[in-house]
Amino acid sequence: GEEVAQTPKHLVRGEGQKAKLYCAPIKGHSYVFWYQQVLKNEFKFLISFQNENVFDETGMPKERFSAKCLPNSPCSLEIQATKLEDSAVYFCASSQSGGVNQPQHFGDGTRLSIL
Amino acid sequence: DAKTTQPPSMDCAEGRAANLPCNHSTISGNEYVYWYRQIHSQGPQYIIHGLKNNETNEMASLIITEDRKSSTLILPHATLRDTAVYYCIVRVRHQGGSEKLVFGKGTKLTVNP
Repeated sequence: GEEVAQTPKHLVRGEGQKAKLYCAPIKGHSYVFWYQQVLKNEFKFLISFQNENVFDETGMPKERFSAKCLPNSPCSLEIQATKLEDSAVYFCASSQSGGVNQPQHFGDGTRLSIL
Repeated sequence: DAKTTQPPSMDCAEGRAANLPCNHSTISGNEYVYWYRQIHSQGPQYIIHGLKNNETNEMASLIITEDRKSSTLILPHATLRDTAVYYCIVRVRHQGGSEKLVFGKGTKLTVNP
């Protein structure tokens, strides 16, 4: 499609439950990025993919967070055993190719609320 | 860490030009300046980017000083819908892959009727 599509828009989970978020990048884009926005203006990079391959995972919490981008499927971000501090808006972005001259285009995010 | 400094907030009258400044005094020769904005709780929207020359597109103009230590984003005729948080981001050129974006706190622009 012409836009990055993220589902669901809102997700509510009890503490300790699993949460799974999905992202369909713009058609033809080979790079996918995940960001977490906890407070209104603060973004944290989590992970990036080049097609199905992890490109940069330096921002991923090692223990409970995992992500995948499989062929012919939306990318996913999964959080096991959620904690209250995981409450945030999670944004996915895609770009056409590698290279710093290619802008990233963002979806509208998934708002995750942990109760 | 973000490599940019922006004022936390600005106001602009509807129909007037909005000039948003950004300092990036430690920028290197291979680093691009990107501008994004976030309206309400939507995803960040790409506006424009540049390396050293001034750039213009249908949304805005980007003026980069000759020493590249600062830049200004210009919205030529601001509307109420331009009210948003504007982020100036310095992005490193990375061979063979696409770099993450490092967001600072941005400038909250309020366009007033």
